[in-house]
Amino acid sequence: SQTIHQWPATLVQPVGSPLSLECTVEGTSNPNLYWYRQAAGRGLQLLFYSVGIGQISSEVPQNLSASRPQDRQFILSSKKLLLSDSGFYLCAWSLVTEAFFGQGTRLTVV
Amino acid sequence: KNQVEQSPQSLIILEGKNCTLQCNYTVSPFSNLRWYKQDTGRGPVSLTIMTFSENTKSNGRYTATLDADTKQSSLHITASQLSDSASYICVVSHINDYKLSFGAGTTVTVRA
Repeated sequence: SQTIHQWPATLVQPVGSPLSLECTVEGTSNPNLYWYRQAAGRGLQLLFYSVGIGQISSEVPQNLSASRPQDRQFILSSKKLLLSDSGFYLCAWSLVTEAFFGQGTRLTVV
Repeated sequence: KNQVEQSPQSLIILEGKNCTLQCNYTVSPFSNLRWYKQDTGRGPVSLTIMTFSENTKSNGRYTATLDADTKQSSLHITASQLSDSASYICVVSHINDYKLSFGAGTTVTVRA
């Protein structure tokens, strides 16, 4: 069966520190992968999506970047976090009619 | 402009009552439309998924409808329970690359 792992679940980081959130998928091949951010009380905002290894599309300009070094691995990064990067980050994958989400990472930048 | 619009933004209902959430989309052509339930601080969980040829899909007390001609979908919750309190998100998948477009969600609060 297909599963998606996202970690860590919570993270508190100081302003200016780097960030690395990792997401891995099991049980499927060549999925579309996504990173979303959800601000408090708001809907999901697509940050990045990837249709294949090394293929990253950015939806909004920001302080973040994404990489897909392997077929089932998607990484969200930042070199220097800003206060405005705080939020709930979700990784997701989709393939034809299937789509699943990770459990999310609550990032607090202090 | 967001291609998926949901209404209302939030609603409060009494336990045992029914409610209907709306989703209008402009994604075209689309592959499928899904409804997700998201509990606070958790990832969304799929409730229903419909292709353009399907008109209705049920999952327990949740029933989704789809009108591909008017590009509208609804999610009906029957006999609401306290555990139904959550955000409900409408998601439309693009047919060409299966890119997902999300609505902002409807927050449902069920009160005893």
